[in-house]
Amino acid sequence: AQKVTQAQTEISVVEKEDVTLDCVYETRDTTYYLFWYKQPPSGELVFLIRRNSFDEQNEISGRYSWNFQKSTSSFNFTITASQVVDSAVYFCARSGAGSYQLTFGKGTKLSVIP
Amino acid sequence: SQTIHQWPATLVQPVGSPLSLECTVEGTSNPNLYWYRQAAGRGLQLLFYSVGIGQISSEVPQNLSASRPQDRQFILSSKKLLLSDSGFYLCAWSAHADGQDGKLFFGSGTQLSVL
Repeated sequence: AQKVTQAQTEISVVEKEDVTLDCVYETRDTTYYLFWYKQPPSGELVFLIRRNSFDEQNEISGRYSWNFQKSTSSFNFTITASQVVDSAVYFCARSGAGSYQLTFGKGTKLSVIP
Repeated sequence: SQTIHQWPATLVQPVGSPLSLECTVEGTSNPNLYWYRQAAGRGLQLLFYSVGIGQISSEVPQNLSASRPQDRQFILSSKKLLLSDSGFYLCAWSAHADGQDGKLFFGSGTQLSVL
């Protein structure tokens, strides 16, 4: 199976600190997609970002940024100046081109302490 | 705008009882529909997906089944629940054109406890 590994099970940070969530993936596909989803305490997963394998440009969206490095098969997520509302479980996922199957990591639970 | 409704939010069922979870999508037509299960401490596992009415694909062998009687309705069922069926069930949809690239929109989930 082509796994997605999120080695950090739980992280706690104090508000306003920066935090990076790690994601390492396995793939045999030439074309694939990588994702991050946020699951707040309410339970509903919220789509954050999608990246295709041909686009290694890092992306920034407000306080969120993503670092995609094919050389290390990593797709890390950084939250700058964390806020209490960022507290959630964050999932990294991948899919192969032409596949309906999203493979999720086990998630990283982020707690931002005021 | 598109919305997805999933119910019930919580459910406690005895072993051996039947199950029916329902999901409907509004504001879009011909969506791809998905059922995922999230077990405690684990990631999400795709159970079923559907690209059209009556078209169901199963990703894992189990005692669950899915049906899509209408374009925007997706039902997860079981005739006899097992203890191992406990978990958090999430329905999701994606635009048909985007179906194969994983951009999913999720419902609020059903917490199922089988006792």
